[in-house]
Amino acid sequence: GNSVTQMEGPVTLSEEAFLTINCTYTATGYPSLFWYVQYPGEGLQLLLKATKADDKGSNKGFEATYRKETTSFHLEKGSVQVSDSAVYFCALSANSGGSNYKLTFGKGTLLTVNP
Amino acid sequence: GAGVSQSPSNKVTEKGKDVELRCDPISGHTALYWYRQSLGQGLEFLIYFQGNSAPDKSGLPSDRFSAERTGGSVSTLTIQRTQQEDSAVYLCASSGRGQDSYNEQFFGPGTRLTVL
Repeated sequence: GNSVTQMEGPVTLSEEAFLTINCTYTATGYPSLFWYVQYPGEGLQLLLKATKADDKGSNKGFEATYRKETTSFHLEKGSVQVSDSAVYFCALSANSGGSNYKLTFGKGTLLTVNP
Repeated sequence: GAGVSQSPSNKVTEKGKDVELRCDPISGHTALYWYRQSLGQGLEFLIYFQGNSAPDKSGLPSDRFSAERTGGSVSTLTIQRTQQEDSAVYLCASSGRGQDSYNEQFFGPGTRLTVL
């Protein structure tokens, strides 16, 4: 079956530090890959996505590249801000019949950025 | 436009009672998903609806859980004879305004269920 393994937190950084959150996956076929973010007190929001190998998803200064050879989709940001403090979820979807793209999530990584 | 809405936002119930959780998807979205977020299990898929097709119920944890979607829009997740391990945040998501958009899901704020 499909699975996602992501770096367990919590991760604590100072403002302007470099961020990497590792994510690897196991899936049959060619999944789409996602990073979702959950800010304190808010719902899950799509941060970025990539739908095929070597695609790079980017948004709000965050980037992740779909690496088929290493089955990875690591999240990076060059300079984090206090407002980036949130829980980050790596996820994949693979068509499991018709248009069912149910998401398989990693456990989530709590990021805290201190001023 | 309006996003996915869920009600109630919080529900506290006693063990053994039945509960109903409601989801209003984004207008025009034909696919609807329910997930559960709990401390022990993370985010888990529960059930999927697409148009008039039979739902994919493969993620429902027991026969106490059921869901329906009326008129291809609003969905209700029902948990019968609730147990303490059912305490979690129940998330609804919808997708699919076009053939290429089915794999991007938009989530509601969730319903936090507490079973005493």
